[in-house]
Amino acid sequence: EAGVAQSPRYKIIEKRQSVAFWCNPISGHATLYWYQQILGQGPKLLIQFQNNGVVDDSQLPKDRFSAERLKGVDSTLKIQPAKLEDSAVYLCASSLGTGRYNEQFFGPGTRLTVL
Amino acid sequence: GENVEQHPSTLSVQEGDSAVIKCTYSDSASNYFPWYKQELGKRPQLIIDIRSNVGEKKDQRIAVTLNKTAKHFSLHITETQPEDSAVYFCAATPTRMNTGFQKLVFGTGTRLLVSP
Repeated sequence: EAGVAQSPRYKIIEKRQSVAFWCNPISGHATLYWYQQILGQGPKLLIQFQNNGVVDDSQLPKDRFSAERLKGVDSTLKIQPAKLEDSAVYLCASSLGTGRYNEQFFGPGTRLTVL
Repeated sequence: GENVEQHPSTLSVQEGDSAVIKCTYSDSASNYFPWYKQELGKRPQLIIDIRSNVGEKKDQRIAVTLNKTAKHFSLHITETQPEDSAVYFCAATPTRMNTGFQKLVFGTGTRLLVSP
């Protein structure tokens, strides 16, 4: 089966600019996650969707970050305006079910550099 | 909230040696502990996981052990090979008040280098 797709793979912007990332989960996966992975750290959950509803966005900096999954399939994550500390890899993941033991499948990530 | 600590941050071994990576967690209600392998520039991939009702799980050269009382779990890789070189992340699932949805809190990662 096809894996989780993300685009773009790389993005370089200047601070205060805006940027958007796109994710297409594995077909049939109801749960979608966005993670931020800063260099040298583990992934940190930003937001989790169940179909098109938000399950958890407690760690999403809502003053500058937003995400949507309007039709319960693809998702976009937006940063506006970007700060230097937003430089990181943004990983999208999806899982089939909602339970605790469902494997999360990760996409290749988008590496964001904010200058 | 849940806090996961992982040690060591870097581990260098010779091919054929064993490698052990250790993690501790803070939320005693966590009951699922996956391990992910991330090769340079690639996506994290699940390599093994363990549930809290099991003390040990093995899959060929890798094994994971869990000590619920001490709130720590470990990844063991035997007969290491150069292709085992990667960053390994442990994770735990803290309690969610509203639903049973899975939430993973990751450790900071261990860079394993296996020298031929």
